[in-house]
Amino acid sequence: AQKVTQAQTEISVVEKEDVTLDCVYETRDTTYYLFWYKQPPSGELVFLIRRNSFDEQNEISGRYSWNFQKSTSSFNFTITASQVVDSAVYFCALSEGNSGTYKYIFGTGTRLKVLA
Amino acid sequence: EAGVAQSPRYKIIEKRQSVAFWCNPISGHATLYWYQQILGQGPKLLIQFQNNGVVDDSQLPKDRFSAERLKGVDSTLKIQPAKLEDSAVYLCASSSDAGGNYGYTFGSGTRLTVV
Repeated sequence: AQKVTQAQTEISVVEKEDVTLDCVYETRDTTYYLFWYKQPPSGELVFLIRRNSFDEQNEISGRYSWNFQKSTSSFNFTITASQVVDSAVYFCALSEGNSGTYKYIFGTGTRLKVLA
Repeated sequence: EAGVAQSPRYKIIEKRQSVAFWCNPISGHATLYWYQQILGQGPKLLIQFQNNGVVDDSQLPKDRFSAERLKGVDSTLKIQPAKLEDSAVYLCASSSDAGGNYGYTFGSGTRLTVV
């Protein structure tokens, strides 16, 4: 069955600390996509990154980095030198499917609070 | 490019009343989604359209919820009659591909409170 688990409900860090948000997924498909979205207080979900199941290279974008490990079914997200503006709820999502029919589900989210 | 537009931004209704939400996706995006996000939870897919056809409505409570996308562009989601448990944020999203595998673009959502 398709499932996304974000075990950390809420994390609080002090500005400039590094923080890692965990995401563990379950799927029976060999082809799937993983995503991270940010939901600031305004409510709009903002797409951050997409990874397909065949690309295990880690990715860095500015202060953001993502660690994809198929062996542990994890797709963790690290923010380096966190800032107050990073405060938001972060969602991990999984899309799997074949023959053009996709199932896309979100985890329950991790609320990140960055304190000044 | 303009984002996904949704209206209204907020809505408060009494239980058993009806309500409708509107969404205009990004121009050219054939796939449109309606999600329900209950406080403290992740978004849950209600319905997915590909152009004006329904691809997936397996989690839509069809006894009270309906949605349409008549011309394959904007869409409306209706709840009739509303229940207290329908209080949530209703998010519309669109994507350029059928599976959203390049990521979705979300609107700001409509926050519904049923009292």
